Amino acid sequence: GESVGLHLPTLSVQEGDNSIINCAYSNSASDYFIWYKQESGKGPQFIIDIRSNMDKRQGQRVTVLLNKTVKHLSLQIAATQPGDSAVYFCAETYSSGGYNKLIFGAGTRLAVHP
Amino acid sequence: EAEVAQSPRYKITEKSQAVAFWCDPISGHATLYWYRQILGQGPELLVQFQDESVVDDSQLPKDRFSAERLKGVDSTLKIQPAELGDSAMYLCASSPRRGVGEQFFGPGTRLTVL
Repeated sequence: GESVGLHLPTLSVQEGDNSIINCAYSNSASDYFIWYKQESGKGPQFIIDIRSNMDKRQGQRVTVLLNKTVKHLSLQIAATQPGDSAVYFCAETYSSGGYNKLIFGAGTRLAVHP
Repeated sequence: EAEVAQSPRYKITEKSQAVAFWCDPISGHATLYWYRQILGQGPELLVQFQDESVVDDSQLPKDRFSAERLKGVDSTLKIQPAELGDSAMYLCASSPRRGVGEQFFGPGTRLTVL
């Protein structure tokens, strides 16, 4: 399959280490945030979400942190595995015209080495 | 597990030709989205449907792109005539409510314009 994210920043980690992927969002009115994982040749896949009234949310091996003061999101992956290798996008949601709009960030490629 | 279906998965065409992409959202999902993803970037919204109605097509190049969802279920995105700069991944997504919460993405159609 073709590669997604040829020109994206890359985070390289060793298998078993923890990974932290950062994202800055732009709209202070955004009230819902999602992290997506995109493997080569596939569509984005939901990982975890967080609402603006929270600053931390945990899933299975993943944690999302939200800092509204500086408009920053981070995704932490514990015990990173080769299957975690992909491009990760944060997305912010805000209301416009009565509907929610989803705006994606630039993405980060995670490369996991054995 | 229900999934968003898209076809074709790959399309190669010559500039000035017409192309069409098809999407079948998850059953019962009222909101359908078409995104364009240029290699190395995050997806960008082209058009959003609520049932059969377009609610946002502000980023759709209407001189050459058209989208329809006649019965409020499946949808077609058309480009006529295709240009070299249209080469990209075209992603379809759906969500059960008015853009609230998670969007579920299909595998995408990779378009190459020669």
